[in-house]
Amino acid sequence: QKEVEQDPGPLSVPEGAIVSLNCTYSNSAFQYFMWYRQYSRKGPELLMYTYSSGNKEDGRFTAQVDKSSKYISLFIRDSQPSDSATYLCAMSAGMDSSYKLIFGSGTRLLVRP
Amino acid sequence: GAVVSQHPSWVICKSGTSVKIECRSLDFQATTMFWYRQFPKQSLMLMATSNEGSKATYEQGVEKDKFLINHASLTLSTLTVTSAHPEDSSFYICSAEFGDEQYFGPGTRLTVT
Repeated sequence: QKEVEQDPGPLSVPEGAIVSLNCTYSNSAFQYFMWYRQYSRKGPELLMYTYSSGNKEDGRFTAQVDKSSKYISLFIRDSQPSDSATYLCAMSAGMDSSYKLIFGSGTRLLVRP
Repeated sequence: GAVVSQHPSWVICKSGTSVKIECRSLDFQATTMFWYRQFPKQSLMLMATSNEGSKATYEQGVEKDKFLINHASLTLSTLTVTSAHPEDSSFYICSAEFGDEQYFGPGTRLTVT
């Protein structure tokens, strides 16, 4: 079993839709949770970073963490064609360099105009 | 701020030759840099952690003698793929630690023919 599971998609939605992206994990030591966006042939870009269970909002993006279920989500409101990318969840047990970032395999999102 | 560059962005080499990839933090100093490999439609897999002035720490299964890492300054880490083979063809991404975050480079696509 992988430490982090993420549905690879692709997920295709019409412009303006609410998008829900999810990851599950098995390691209860994970305390920090991140969402990255990766455009084709580019490096990942950090979108959201959360520590505690609950919701964190930033513009059209909301990150949700449920540590009891080992489940995290990223919601995108009013999705735009420019949101089309691969979204990677990542998590670690700590925030200094001695802790590895473990990535999900990424979900490819396509927002249709 | 916190920009990381990689050079080259794309390289083709013949089997048996060596290739050097540079990772630079442009506007900050990074004691720690990371090297990842990403195969198509797969997640980023950490290859090694590079600390300025000391030997890199390699992940299990990564050959130290094949993937040489040098972190000679606080703004530059290099990855040399020695005696490259077609199975080394991949997308290599570096990241640099700044505060609590890792900032990723744009990646280098290596094709070994």
